[in-house]
Amino acid sequence: AQSVAQPEDQVNVAEGNPLTVKCTYSVSGNPYLFWYVQYPNRGLQFLLKYITGDNLVKGSYGFEAEFNKSQTSFHLKKPSALVSDSALYFCAVTGGTTDSWGKLQFGAGTQVVVTP
Amino acid sequence: DTEVTQTPKHLVMGMTNKKSLKCEQHMGHRAMYWYKQKAKKPPELMFVYSYEKLSINESVPSRFSPECPNSSLLNLHLHALQPEDSALYLCASSRIPDSYANTGELFFGEGSRLTVL
Repeated sequence: AQSVAQPEDQVNVAEGNPLTVKCTYSVSGNPYLFWYVQYPNRGLQFLLKYITGDNLVKGSYGFEAEFNKSQTSFHLKKPSALVSDSALYFCAVTGGTTDSWGKLQFGAGTQVVVTP
Repeated sequence: DTEVTQTPKHLVMGMTNKKSLKCEQHMGHRAMYWYKQKAKKPPELMFVYSYEKLSINESVPSRFSPECPNSSLLNLHLHALQPEDSALYLCASSRIPDSYANTGELFFGEGSRLTVL
C-alpha cells in the first residue's frame, strides 16, 4: 500500500519570504515522488519529480524539492515566494514497480496563500 | 497551455440525461486517465487506459462508461447520474513508464465541470 501525507491544510507566507510545503510518504520499495500545482478552476500542472539520484530536485517556476529517505519526506520549497504562487499544491507518490504504475496516490493538498 | 484538451468545460445535466465528456491529446502518450475531483480535494482515479485497453477500473459505478476510440481520444459516457456525481472531471495522459528516464508523469487537461440536477 502507498500513502501520502500533507500535514498542513494551508500555508501562509509573505511575498519574498521562503515557502515550504511539507510532504511525507509511505510506499513499498523505492518511491516515485511528484509535486503538482492547481490554480483555481484549472487542471493540475506538473512541477517536479524525484525518481533516483540527487536528493535535491529542481522544477518549474523556481520550485525545488528535497528527498529525504530516512525521514520519508519530499518537501517542496521556493526561496522567494510570489503572490502568483498562491494555489493548491499536491504531493503524489507511486511505487517504483511495474504493477504500481497508473495508480498515483495524491496527498490531501495544501493551499498556499502568498500575501503582498 | 495544456496539451490535453477537454470538452465541454462546463456541463449541466439532469439525472435522466445521457451525455459525454471528451478528451484529446497529441503528445503520443499511450496511457490515458479519468479522474474525479471534488472542490479542494485531491483527484480520485476512476479509469486508466493503456494502449487503448482498459487496464484499471477503480470500482466506478456503471453509470460512468469510459471509451478509448484511438490513442489520442478518451471519452467518458454519463447516464443516470446522481447529484453527488457533480464534480470536476479531469483527463490526463502519460507515457507508459519503462525506465528511470521515462517515469510517466501525468499531463492534465483543464477539466470538465459537471453539475447534475
